[in-house]
Amino acid sequence: GESVGLHLPTLSVQEGDNSIINCAYSNSASDYFIWYKQESGKGPQFIIDIRSNMDKRQGQRVTVLLNKTVKHLSLQIAATQPGDSAVYFCAEKGSGNTGKLIFGQGTTLQVKP
Amino acid sequence: EPEVTQTPSHQVTQMGQEVILRCVPISNHLYFYWYRQILGQKVEFLVSFYNNEISEKSEIFDDQFSVERPDGSNFTLKIRSTKLEDSAMYFCASSGGFGNQPQHFGDGTRLSIL
Repeated sequence: GESVGLHLPTLSVQEGDNSIINCAYSNSASDYFIWYKQESGKGPQFIIDIRSNMDKRQGQRVTVLLNKTVKHLSLQIAATQPGDSAVYFCAEKGSGNTGKLIFGQGTTLQVKP
Repeated sequence: EPEVTQTPSHQVTQMGQEVILRCVPISNHLYFYWYRQILGQKVEFLVSFYNNEISEKSEIFDDQFSVERPDGSNFTLKIRSTKLEDSAMYFCASSGGFGNQPQHFGDGTRLSIL
């Protein structure tokens, strides 16, 4: 079946430190992955995406790493700030070209000042 | 930056009543979606829509659910006879394609069934 999961429900980091949020996926045929940030009372906000033909992609203060061998995805946030506190979801494009996204359970990132 | 907008932000309805949730996708997007999120849980896919047709629907999207693009800017989700278990946040999203393109989400409608 299709499933996407995150390793830790909550991650607490000190302001200024780097954060790493992990995700495992089950469908080895998946070719597209997205990280979303969800703040309280808001919808998921697109952070960064990566296609399966890439191992790494960088954005502003964020890096996504994809390890297809072990079906693992991670989001690295550099110099974490209080505004980064939120729930982070990885999502995987479902099989079939219908746009369906399969979300993981979410990791809550808490940034301590 | 263009965004997806949803109304109302909160809808309270008696069980058995019909509700319509409204969405205005990003203007140049042609692919539309509804997801739901029960409190504290992950986001779940309901339906994808393109060219006035449903492309895929999940098991949750039963005969009580329907979607419509009534005009060039709105995309609606209707629940005909609501149940207590329909209480959730409902998110609309849109994208520029079904392929490897990110979906952009609205801030959701909180649906509370009494």
